[in-house]
This record gives sequence, C-alpha cells and structure tokens, in this order.
Amino acid sequence: QSVLTQPASVSGSPGQSITISCTGTSSDVGGYNYVSWYQQHPGKAPKLMIYDVSKRPSGVSNRFSGSKSGNTASLTISGLQAEDETVYYCSSYTRSSTVIFGGGTKLTVL
Amino acid sequence: QVQLQESGPGLVKPSETLSLTCTVSGGSVSSGSYYWSWIRQPPGKGLEWIGYISYSGSTNYNPSLKSRVTISVDTSKNQFSLKLNSVAAADTAVYYCASLYCSRTSCFLNPWGQGTLVTVSS
Repeated sequence: QSVLTQPASVSGSPGQSITISCTGTSSDVGGYNYVSWYQQHPGKAPKLMIYDVSKRPSGVSNRFSGSKSGNTASLTISGLQAEDETVYYCSSYTRSSTVIFGGGTKLTVL
Repeated sequence: QVQLQESGPGLVKPSETLSLTCTVSGGSVSSGSYYWSWIRQPPGKGLEWIGYISYSGSTNYNPSLKSRVTISVDTSKNQFSLKLNSVAAADTAVYYCASLYCSRTSCFLNPWGQGTLVTVSS
C-alpha cells in the first residue's frame, strides 16, 4: 500500500500559522473521516494530536486544528511556538481495513 | 489509563525471526473496539504500519509484510506479540506497539508504547 503524501518540510515564524497537507485517495483519506495526526519529537513515540479529521484529544493545545477536503486532509498550527518544531505524520484508516501513514513533515520554527 | 510496553531482543541475526511482546496495563486486550497494533520506524525514516489483532484473534497485516508477519494475543497475560520471519538489514527499526481504537464513528492510534530498537545484524 502506498503512503499518504505530505510535504517534506514546512516552516514558519513564531506566532504565525502553518498548514501541513496530507493527500490520499478515495480509498483512505477521501473515503473515511478517520484521519489522524501525530507529533513526534526525536527519540520519542508519536503523540496523537488530532483524530477523526478535526477532534483534539484532551490536553492538546487548541492551536492545533484539522480539516479535510476531498482526498486531502490538513493540519493547521496557529500561534507557532518553538516547541512545535518537530516532525508530524498523518494517518488514515483504509478501505482494506488497514492503516496507512504519510511520509512525515519536518516543521521548522524560524 | 492504558499503557503499553514493548519487550524483546534488541539484536536479531539475518534470516532469523524477530519476536516482540507488548504488555498492556491499565486496560484489557479483551476490550471490544480495540485492535492491538504494531508499527515500525527505520532509523531516520517514517512510520510503517505492520498490522493488528483484535481481542477475538482476527488479524490484518500490511500487504508488503503479510507473508512474513504473525501477530498473536494472549489474553491470560494481557499481552500481544509480533513475529517477523526471515529478517534482513532492512527490518532494522524502532518497533512500536499501539492501541488502535476503531468504532463506527472513530478510529485512531492511541496510546503508543515507548518503542524498542531492533537491529538485524550478524
């Protein structure tokens, strides 16, 4: 199964907003509202930041938000902070009842 | 609060079988709507889903690994396990176990174990 397509890197200045895209197909992202986003700091396990396209787990800052249009999902981080600088992965449930990940996006806070 | 912890050898020889166990605490592997999952991450690379098993024993695997993977569950020990046959250097990775919660209205991986590095080398 192919990976979801994410930009390799994005950047923004403190206080600004950035958006990371995640493109799949109608068999995964477009077919289900089961897109999730994970934040992974070096040497650490991924942390769930957004699930079911736009829901935030308890304890996750409301600066993080998610959306979807067609086969592309997006993660938006507003009010960028230095601590947001790390790698973000999207994931989706698929028609085959499997799970697929994006290739990851490195966020740099300038 | 559910917590997961991976355990197993950190070094496996080429062509042998990689075996890992994930111990679940604060919850039960017999819980419905939960699918006990394995994910791996080669050094410096992205996440790759390996597969999952339900409390009833039904499994689903990544097609690219299906011929070499077996995931099993031991409800008496509240654990689930991964076996990957005929390993090669390309199987060197940090292996994570995680809980995949999937219902009719929701589906996501949470929580994750801390991960364990498995190196394939002679």
